[in-house]
Amino acid sequence: GAGVSQSPSNKVTEKGKDVELRCDPISGHTALYWYRQRLGQGLEFLIYFQGNSAPDKSGLPSDRFSAERTGESVSTLTIQRTQQEDSAVYLCASSRYNEKLFFGSGTQLSVL
Amino acid sequence: LAKTTQPISMDSYEGQEVNITCSHNNIATNDYITWYQQFPSQGPRFIIQGYKTKVTNEVASLFIPADRKSSTLSLPRVSLSDTAVYYCLVGDNTGGFKTIFGAGTRLFVKA
Repeated sequence: GAGVSQSPSNKVTEKGKDVELRCDPISGHTALYWYRQRLGQGLEFLIYFQGNSAPDKSGLPSDRFSAERTGESVSTLTIQRTQQEDSAVYLCASSRYNEKLFFGSGTQLSVL
Repeated sequence: LAKTTQPISMDSYEGQEVNITCSHNNIATNDYITWYQQFPSQGPRFIIQGYKTKVTNEVASLFIPADRKSSTLSLPRVSLSDTAVYYCLVGDNTGGFKTIFGAGTRLFVKA
């Protein structure tokens, strides 16, 4: 597609529920990143996929967070048993190998 | 990954030149310096990247001294629409590095 697409753009959920966030990267981009951005804060790295290599999960804050990517296409970020502190904008980015990142518009997650 | 330090915020007026300096004392030989811009409610977007000396594009200039321990993003004649957060990143451009963003510099441009 023309750009990185994320869905949903907004998600409101209740504490304790599971949520799934989707990212469609730019076609041909081998690298895909997930970031979390709390209100007024910088970007917090979560996970990085590069081609068929094992993902770098070092930024995931707890075992409630997981992410998958099918080949070099769609990725889903899953948060289980959501907590209020999970409320943030979740940003996805993709790039060609080691080139500049292209970001989606993010998913605003609100946990009530 | 080299750690970066940049001012938390800066104020400017329309038409002025703005210079944002980033310190990266532990930059490695293979590291490049990259700047991104983020507007409210949007993801960051790439502005400029350099390795040494000076790089210029239609948006900004990037000045890197010989020791490469710092870099300066220069925005000529800013307008209100340049109000954004600017992130400085340092990383290996050749090895599939994971890109880490710091808190960035919040630039406020006033009329």
